Amino acid sequence: SQTIHQWPATLVQPVGSPLSLECTVEGTSNPNLYWYRQAAGRGLQLLFYSIGIDQISSEVPQNLSASRPQDRQFILSSKKLLLSDSGFYLCAWSLGSTNTEAFFGQGTRLTVV
Amino acid sequence: DQQVKQNSPSLSVQEGRISILNCDYTNSMFDYFLWYKKYPAEGPTFLISISSIKDKNEDGRFTVFLNKSAKHLSLHIVPSQPGDSAVYFCAASANYGQNFVFGPGTRLSVLP
Repeated sequence: SQTIHQWPATLVQPVGSPLSLECTVEGTSNPNLYWYRQAAGRGLQLLFYSIGIDQISSEVPQNLSASRPQDRQFILSSKKLLLSDSGFYLCAWSLGSTNTEAFFGQGTRLTVV
Repeated sequence: DQQVKQNSPSLSVQEGRISILNCDYTNSMFDYFLWYKKYPAEGPTFLISISSIKDKNEDGRFTVFLNKSAKHLSLHIVPSQPGDSAVYFCAASANYGQNFVFGPGTRLSVLP
């Protein structure tokens, strides 16, 4: 069966520090991968999605970047965090070949102080 | 501009009654719709989906209705249970699920 791992679960980082959140998927090949953010009191905002290695689409211009160095690995990064980067970050995957649901990781609560 | 809207930020329902959560969308290219349930500090979990070729899909206590002409879908939960209390997100996709767009969510409270 397929599983998705996302870490860390919580993170407190100072303003201006770098960020690296990692997500890996097991049990499937060539998944579509996504990074979402849920800001306090708001819905899920799609940040990046990827249909293959090194194929990243950015939905919202921001202080963040994403990379997919391997088929089942998706990394969310920032060189210098801003206070506004605080939020709940979610990684997700889907099969993509047909209409299917996306499966989410447990999320990372990021607090920038 | 929000492509997927959930105009009710919150909803309270008595246990045993029906919960109806609504969702509207603007993009006519959407062809697949999903509902997710989310507890605090957890990732959303998939509940039920519907393709644009159908107008109803049922799974146990959960039924999703799609009205394509009105660009509207709804999730019915019957009977509602206290464990259903969570935030419910409506999502839509086009192009065979390569991109999922979520609504802002509706917080459902089921009162015992």
